Amino acid sequence: GENVEQHPSTLSVQEGDSAVIKCTYSDSASNYFPWYKQELGKGPQLIIDIRSNVGEKKDQRIAVTLNKTAKHFSLHITETQPEDSAVYFCAAEVFNKFYFGSGTKLNVKP
Amino acid sequence: DVKVTQSSRYLVKRTGEKVFLECVQDMDHENMFWYRQDPGLGLRLIYFSYDVKMKEKGDIPEGYSVSREKKERFSLILESASTNQTSMYLCASSYGGAGNTIYFGEGSWLTVV
Repeated sequence: GENVEQHPSTLSVQEGDSAVIKCTYSDSASNYFPWYKQELGKGPQLIIDIRSNVGEKKDQRIAVTLNKTAKHFSLHITETQPEDSAVYFCAAEVFNKFYFGSGTKLNVKP
Repeated sequence: DVKVTQSSRYLVKRTGEKVFLECVQDMDHENMFWYRQDPGLGLRLIYFSYDVKMKEKGDIPEGYSVSREKKERFSLILESASTNQTSMYLCASSYGGAGNTIYFGEGSWLTVV
């Protein structure tokens, strides 16, 4: 099945700085790549997604890039705020099933 | 808004007990999923159902079974709970077909003692 690797496992940034989380996947059949944010004690919430026919997508301070040739995709958060502190997961979909990375714990220091 | 409801947020069970985790979604989604979340391991797929009474094994199905008798409800069953099944369990759902967003419940924390 699909293998999704995510780096780094922890990331600490100063408020206002940018944060980048990177993921790679193995199955070239994957065509849909969502990103989730999980706050303490809650289920993951979708924050942005990208499909394979698009190279980049942006939503306010969050952007995602996809390189299908290299099989990697990245999440970029600009002007980070303390409320961005959470665990972030990348995922890749193959034939209706979703495979997740191991998560990145982002800490934004005020 | 999509709502995926997991009936039990926190459970403590004894080794050997049969455990039922229930999940209900209100969006008429065809697909439903059970994931297990452990620190450093991310979310691992236990079982996937793409229709009533239809199921597929995920990456870690051993020790688990599932039931989907109605479209909106997907149950995870631990036939004989063991301490290594202590974990957070997440239910999710999505429309059928490729490229549809998956929505999660709030999770069920299970401790097996």
